[in-house]
Amino acid sequence: IAGITQAPTSQILAAGRRMTLRCTQDMRHNAMYWYRQDLGLGLRLIHYSNTAGTTGKGEVPDGYSVSRANTDDFPLTLASAVPSQTSVYFCASSEGQERSKAFFGQGTRLTVV
Amino acid sequence: GQNIDQPTEMTATEGAIVQINCTYQTSGFNGLFWYQQHAGEAPTFLSYNVLDGLEEKGRFSSFLSRSKGYSYLLLKELQMKDSASYLCAVTDSNYQLIWGAGTKLIIKP
Repeated sequence: IAGITQAPTSQILAAGRRMTLRCTQDMRHNAMYWYRQDLGLGLRLIHYSNTAGTTGKGEVPDGYSVSRANTDDFPLTLASAVPSQTSVYFCASSEGQERSKAFFGQGTRLTVV
Repeated sequence: GQNIDQPTEMTATEGAIVQINCTYQTSGFNGLFWYQQHAGEAPTFLSYNVLDGLEEKGRFSSFLSRSKGYSYLLLKELQMKDSASYLCAVTDSNYQLIWGAGTKLIIKP
């Protein structure tokens, strides 16, 4: 693993199903982030974690949950997917809250039907 | 509210120079980033400005004026591979990154 790895790279999901997007980094970064990117809207922050064991809500947290059990992993869960959650999801990390240069995973393209 | 504005789309010619502007209104300021994002790929870091002035890195330069809430990214000697979206992002007083919607740059031969 080099940098940030997301899985899966793409997924088609039936509405109402539960889905977890995985994110793993090997840079020992303290802070991690989940964004969604929609055409014309740019990157919007869903949830973040400034350090292992802590999480916070971003701009669009509804319908999503995260956990940060250790430094490396930051999974994003959709409890009951809806079509409006169709998007490209990016996981990112940075050294810390005050060192906010972000490194991104390759993205997960999610389609909810 | 917090807001970052950049043009939606720009077109330029191979070999030419293009300037992509970004204006911002945020609660506090702790730095401004420019990222490049090719279609279907992740954003990648280009530049970081925290003090006023010009930062030059090869063919790319980035300028910041904090008093005007303004930055630009200057791309010289444009190449076809520079066709991408360019994202402006500002770190606010809580060190959260606020992102612009991005500028799609189209390079024509």
